[in-house]
Amino acid sequence: DAKTTQPPSMDCAEGRAANLPCNHSTISGNEYVYWYRQIHSQGPQYIIHGLKNNETNEMASLIITEDRKSSTLILPHATLRDTAVYYCIVRVGYSGAGSYQLTFGKGTKLSVIP
Amino acid sequence: EPEVTQTPSHQVTQMGQEVILRCVPISNHLYFYWYRQILGQKVEFLVSFYNNEISEKSEIFDDQFSVERPDGSNFTLKIRSTKLEDSAMYFCASRERQGQETQYFGPGTRLLVL
Repeated sequence: DAKTTQPPSMDCAEGRAANLPCNHSTISGNEYVYWYRQIHSQGPQYIIHGLKNNETNEMASLIITEDRKSSTLILPHATLRDTAVYYCIVRVGYSGAGSYQLTFGKGTKLSVIP
Repeated sequence: EPEVTQTPSHQVTQMGQEVILRCVPISNHLYFYWYRQILGQKVEFLVSFYNNEISEKSEIFDDQFSVERPDGSNFTLKIRSTKLEDSAMYFCASRERQGQETQYFGPGTRLLVL
Protein backbone atom coordinates (compact mmCIF):
# COMPACT_ATOMS: atom_id res chain seq x y z
CA ASP A 1 0.00 0.00 0.00
CA ALA A 2 1.17 3.50 -0.78
CA LYS A 3 2.58 5.62 2.02
CA THR A 4 0.68 8.68 3.21
CA THR A 5 1.90 11.90 4.79
CA GLN A 6 -0.28 14.02 7.08
CA PRO A 7 0.46 17.02 9.29
CA PRO A 8 0.75 15.90 12.92
CA SER A 9 -1.76 18.42 14.23
CA MET A 10 -4.24 21.10 13.21
CA ASP A 11 -6.62 23.47 14.94
CA CYS A 12 -10.02 24.54 13.69
CA ALA A 13 -12.54 27.00 15.10
CA GLU A 14 -15.91 25.53 16.00
CA GLY A 15 -18.43 26.03 13.20
CA ARG A 16 -15.75 26.50 10.56
CA ALA A 17 -14.76 24.01 7.89
CA ALA A 18 -11.88 21.74 8.81
CA ASN A 19 -9.68 20.87 5.85
CA LEU A 20 -7.33 17.98 6.51
CA PRO A 21 -4.69 17.33 3.85
CA CYS A 22 -3.04 14.06 2.92
CA ASN A 23 -0.22 13.38 0.47
CA HIS A 24 -0.03 10.00 -1.24
CA SER A 25 2.30 10.65 -4.16
CA THR A 26 3.05 6.95 -4.79
CA ILE A 27 -0.59 5.90 -5.03
CA SER A 28 -1.29 3.42 -7.79
CA GLY A 29 -4.30 3.14 -10.04
CA ASN A 30 -6.21 0.53 -8.06
CA GLU A 31 -5.68 2.09 -4.62
CA TYR A 32 -8.46 3.87 -2.78
CA VAL A 33 -8.08 6.67 -0.26
CA TYR A 34 -9.80 5.93 3.04
CA TRP A 35 -10.35 8.24 5.97
CA TYR A 36 -10.95 7.05 9.51
CA ARG A 37 -10.92 8.93 12.78
CA GLN A 38 -10.30 7.94 16.37
CA ILE A 39 -11.90 9.92 19.15
CA HIS A 40 -9.80 9.62 22.30
CA SER A 41 -9.17 5.87 22.73
CA GLN A 42 -12.32 4.66 21.01
CA GLY A 43 -12.31 2.32 18.01
CA PRO A 44 -11.46 3.90 14.65
CA GLN A 45 -14.55 5.22 12.92
CA TYR A 46 -14.96 5.04 9.15
CA ILE A 47 -15.60 8.42 7.55
CA ILE A 48 -15.38 8.20 3.77
CA HIS A 49 -13.39 6.73 0.90
CA GLY A 50 -12.84 7.41 -2.79
CA LEU A 51 -10.90 6.37 -5.85
CA LYS A 52 -10.67 9.41 -8.09
CA ASN A 53 -13.95 11.28 -7.98
CA ASN A 54 -14.83 13.62 -5.17
CA GLU A 55 -17.13 12.03 -2.63
CA THR A 56 -19.58 13.40 -0.08
CA ASN A 57 -21.59 11.76 2.65
CA GLU A 58 -23.37 12.90 5.78
CA MET A 59 -20.09 13.22 7.69
CA ALA A 60 -17.63 14.77 5.28
CA SER A 61 -16.42 15.47 1.77
CA LEU A 62 -13.36 14.00 0.13
CA ILE A 63 -11.56 15.96 -2.56
CA ILE A 64 -8.96 14.01 -4.56
CA THR A 65 -6.65 15.88 -6.92
CA GLU A 66 -6.74 14.99 -10.58
CA ASP A 67 -3.32 13.32 -10.41
CA ARG A 68 -4.48 11.47 -7.25
CA LYS A 69 -1.29 12.35 -5.42
CA SER A 70 -3.08 14.18 -2.65
CA SER A 71 -6.49 14.54 -1.09
CA THR A 72 -8.34 16.70 1.42
CA LEU A 73 -10.95 15.64 3.92
CA ILE A 74 -13.43 18.41 4.62
CA LEU A 75 -15.63 18.56 7.70
CA PRO A 76 -17.97 21.37 6.64
CA HIS A 77 -18.98 22.67 10.08
CA ALA A 78 -16.63 21.33 12.72
CA THR A 79 -17.99 20.77 16.22
CA LEU A 80 -16.19 20.03 19.47
CA ARG A 81 -17.12 16.38 19.01
CA ASP A 82 -15.01 16.29 15.85
CA THR A 83 -11.85 16.61 17.95
CA ALA A 84 -10.01 13.40 17.11
CA VAL A 85 -7.05 11.86 15.30
CA TYR A 86 -7.80 11.58 11.59
CA TYR A 87 -6.13 8.86 9.54
CA CYS A 88 -5.66 8.90 5.78
CA ILE A 89 -5.07 5.35 4.54
CA VAL A 90 -4.38 4.20 1.01
CA ARG A 91 -5.66 0.74 0.39
CA VAL A 92 -5.89 -1.44 -2.66
CA GLY A 93 -9.43 -1.88 -3.81
CA TYR A 94 -11.23 -5.02 -4.72
CA SER A 95 -8.99 -7.31 -6.72
CA GLY A 96 -10.14 -10.72 -5.65
CA ALA A 97 -9.51 -12.55 -2.41
CA GLY A 98 -7.58 -10.64 0.19
CA SER A 99 -7.73 -9.70 3.82
CA TYR A 100 -7.42 -5.95 3.19
CA GLN A 101 -6.00 -5.07 6.54
CA LEU A 102 -5.62 -1.36 7.22
CA THR A 103 -2.21 0.18 7.89
CA PHE A 104 -2.57 3.14 10.21
CA GLY A 105 -0.04 5.92 10.43
CA LYS A 106 0.14 8.59 13.11
CA GLY A 107 -2.63 10.67 11.54
CA THR A 108 -3.52 14.30 12.17
CA LYS A 109 -4.70 15.34 15.59
CA LEU A 110 -7.51 17.81 14.93
CA SER A 111 -8.45 20.09 17.80
CA VAL A 112 -11.72 21.97 17.38
CA ILE A 113 -11.58 25.13 19.48
CA PRO A 114 -14.67 26.88 20.88
CA GLU B 1 -27.42 1.16 12.92
CA PRO B 2 -25.67 -2.21 13.38
CA GLU B 3 -22.35 -2.07 15.19
CA VAL B 4 -19.48 -4.24 16.34
CA THR B 5 -19.53 -4.93 20.07
CA GLN B 6 -16.70 -6.09 22.32
CA THR B 7 -16.50 -7.52 25.82
CA PRO B 8 -15.16 -6.87 28.33
CA SER B 9 -14.46 -3.17 28.01
CA HIS B 10 -11.59 -3.50 30.51
CA GLN B 11 -9.60 -6.53 31.62
CA VAL B 12 -6.84 -6.68 34.21
CA THR B 13 -4.81 -9.87 34.41
CA GLN B 14 -1.60 -11.21 35.90
CA MET B 15 1.38 -11.94 33.69
CA GLY B 16 1.29 -15.53 32.47
CA GLN B 17 -2.49 -15.83 32.65
CA GLU B 18 -4.71 -16.63 29.68
CA VAL B 19 -7.23 -14.05 28.48
CA ILE B 20 -10.04 -14.27 25.97
CA LEU B 21 -11.33 -11.12 24.34
CA ARG B 22 -14.74 -11.34 22.74
CA CYS B 23 -16.27 -9.60 19.77
CA VAL B 24 -19.66 -9.76 18.11
CA PRO B 25 -19.22 -8.55 14.51
CA ILE B 26 -22.00 -7.02 12.47
CA SER B 27 -24.38 -9.87 11.69
CA ASN B 28 -24.08 -10.21 7.91
CA HIS B 29 -20.34 -9.57 7.79
CA LEU B 30 -17.99 -12.30 6.62
CA TYR B 31 -14.49 -10.92 7.27
CA PHE B 32 -13.15 -10.32 10.76
CA TYR B 33 -10.07 -8.60 12.13
CA TRP B 34 -8.17 -7.92 15.32
CA TYR B 35 -6.01 -4.86 15.77
CA ARG B 36 -4.22 -3.55 18.82
CA GLN B 37 -3.02 -0.15 19.97
CA ILE B 38 -0.39 0.18 22.65
CA LEU B 39 -0.86 3.40 24.61
CA GLY B 40 0.39 6.38 22.60
CA GLN B 41 1.25 4.30 19.56
CA LYS B 42 -0.30 3.46 16.19
CA VAL B 43 -3.14 1.04 15.59
CA GLU B 44 -1.52 -2.22 14.43
CA PHE B 45 -3.02 -5.10 12.47
CA LEU B 46 -2.89 -8.50 14.17
CA VAL B 47 -4.94 -10.97 12.17
CA SER B 48 -7.72 -11.39 9.64
CA PHE B 49 -10.19 -14.27 9.54
CA TYR B 50 -12.51 -15.53 6.84
CA ASN B 51 -14.39 -18.76 6.23
CA ASN B 52 -13.28 -20.16 9.58
CA GLU B 53 -9.60 -19.74 9.01
CA ILE B 54 -6.88 -17.15 9.33
CA SER B 55 -6.34 -15.38 6.02
CA GLU B 56 -3.47 -13.17 7.08
CA LYS B 57 -1.51 -12.38 10.22
CA SER B 58 1.19 -9.95 11.24
CA GLU B 59 4.49 -10.78 12.89
CA ILE B 60 2.96 -9.64 16.19
CA PHE B 61 0.51 -12.54 16.02
CA ASP B 62 2.80 -15.26 17.33
CA ASP B 63 2.02 -18.65 18.86
CA GLN B 64 0.69 -17.02 22.02
CA PHE B 65 -2.28 -15.69 20.06
CA SER B 66 -5.19 -17.58 18.57
CA VAL B 67 -8.56 -16.65 17.10
CA GLU B 68 -11.78 -18.55 16.88
CA ARG B 69 -15.34 -18.18 15.76
CA PRO B 70 -16.95 -20.66 18.14
CA ASP B 71 -20.50 -20.02 16.98
CA GLY B 72 -22.35 -17.96 14.42
CA SER B 73 -21.94 -14.68 16.22
CA ASN B 74 -18.83 -14.47 18.40
CA PHE B 75 -15.24 -13.91 17.29
CA THR B 76 -12.61 -14.34 19.97
CA LEU B 77 -8.94 -13.50 20.48
CA LYS B 78 -7.07 -15.64 22.99
CA ILE B 79 -3.72 -14.79 24.49
CA ARG B 80 -2.37 -17.95 26.12
CA SER B 81 0.25 -16.58 28.47
CA THR B 82 0.08 -12.83 28.75
CA LYS B 83 3.18 -10.66 28.94
CA LEU B 84 3.51 -7.13 30.24
CA GLU B 85 3.93 -5.88 26.67
CA ASP B 86 0.52 -7.28 25.71
CA SER B 87 -1.05 -4.37 27.60
CA ALA B 88 -2.96 -2.45 24.94
CA MET B 89 -6.36 -1.62 23.49
CA TYR B 90 -7.60 -4.46 21.33
CA PHE B 91 -10.02 -3.62 18.56
CA CYS B 92 -12.18 -6.02 16.60
CA ALA B 93 -13.39 -5.05 13.14
CA SER B 94 -15.61 -6.63 10.52
CA ARG B 95 -16.22 -6.22 6.83
CA GLU B 96 -19.25 -7.31 4.88
CA ARG B 97 -18.01 -9.10 1.77
CA GLN B 98 -15.62 -8.99 -1.16
CA GLY B 99 -16.16 -5.81 -3.10
CA GLN B 100 -17.16 -4.02 0.10
CA GLU B 101 -13.87 -2.98 1.63
CA THR B 102 -14.96 -0.77 4.52
CA GLN B 103 -14.09 -2.13 7.94
CA TYR B 104 -16.18 -1.24 10.97
CA PHE B 105 -14.50 -1.22 14.35
CA GLY B 106 -15.73 -2.07 17.80
CA PRO B 107 -15.13 0.13 20.87
CA GLY B 108 -12.18 -1.95 22.04
CA THR B 109 -11.07 -3.87 25.11
CA ARG B 110 -8.45 -2.27 27.29
CA LEU B 111 -6.12 -5.05 28.54
CA LEU B 112 -3.75 -4.39 31.40
CA VAL B 113 -1.21 -7.05 32.28
CA LEU B 114 0.38 -6.71 35.70
